[in-house]
Amino acid sequence: AQSVTQPDIHITVSEGASLELRCNYSYGATPYLFWYVQSPGQGLQLLLKYFSGDTLVQGIKGFEAEFKRSQSSFNLRKPSVHWSDAAEYFCAVGAQAGTALIFGKGTTLSVSS
Amino acid sequence: NAGVMQNPRHLVRRRGQEARLRCSPMKGHSHVYWYRQLPEEGLKFMVYLQKENIIDESGMPKERFSAEFPKEGPSILRIQQVVRGDSAAYFCASSPPGTGGAETQYFGPGTRLLVL
Repeated sequence: AQSVTQPDIHITVSEGASLELRCNYSYGATPYLFWYVQSPGQGLQLLLKYFSGDTLVQGIKGFEAEFKRSQSSFNLRKPSVHWSDAAEYFCAVGAQAGTALIFGKGTTLSVSS
Repeated sequence: NAGVMQNPRHLVRRRGQEARLRCSPMKGHSHVYWYRQLPEEGLKFMVYLQKENIIDESGMPKERFSAEFPKEGPSILRIQQVVRGDSAAYFCASSPPGTGGAETQYFGPGTRLLVL
C-alpha cells in the first residue's frame, strides 16, 4: 500500500539549533517527493520538491532535503532554526502529473528560545 | 499573479444544510484537486478534476459529496445534508496542464467548515 510515515508527531528545537524532520514512504512507482509547511489557520506552502537528479535538494527559507532511495526516506533539514519556523510540516509523495498526493500526518515543530 | 483562491475561508452550517466550497485555480492551471484535512490528520485526497471532467474521484465519499469544474468559473465542492463529521478544513490545489512528468500542486488557504 502506498503511504507516507512521519514518525515524529511533535518536535521541539531551540532557536539556532539544527533540525531534521523524518519522512519515510512506500510507493510502487517512481516517487516524486514534496515537503509542505502549514502555519496555523493557513494553507500549505511548498518548501521543496524532488523529481529527479541530484538527491540533495534546496528549498525556500534555508531548508534542504535528501532523497535516499535505499532507505525510502526524504528527510528535511535546516542548519539553524528560527522562531518563525514553528509550524506543521507535511511530507507528501506523488507520481506523474494528475495523480493525488499522499500525505503524512505531519510533524509539529515548536521552537524554544 | 494570484495564487489559488478559495472562498469562503470559514463556513458554519447546521446539520442537514448544504455547504458549497469554491476554488479558483492559479492562472493557467487546468487541474484542480480537493483534499480534506481532519483535526490532527494529514490531508486526504478527495477528487481530481479538469475542466468539465472528473478524472479521479476515488477519495470522495459515495454519498452527499459532489464536485464540478465547469468550463467557466470556479471549481465547486458541494456537501449535501452536512453532518458533524464533515467538520474539517477543505483544501483545493491546482497544477498546470500536464507534460507527462510530475507537476507541483499549489494549495489554496482552505475553507474551514464547522457543522453545528
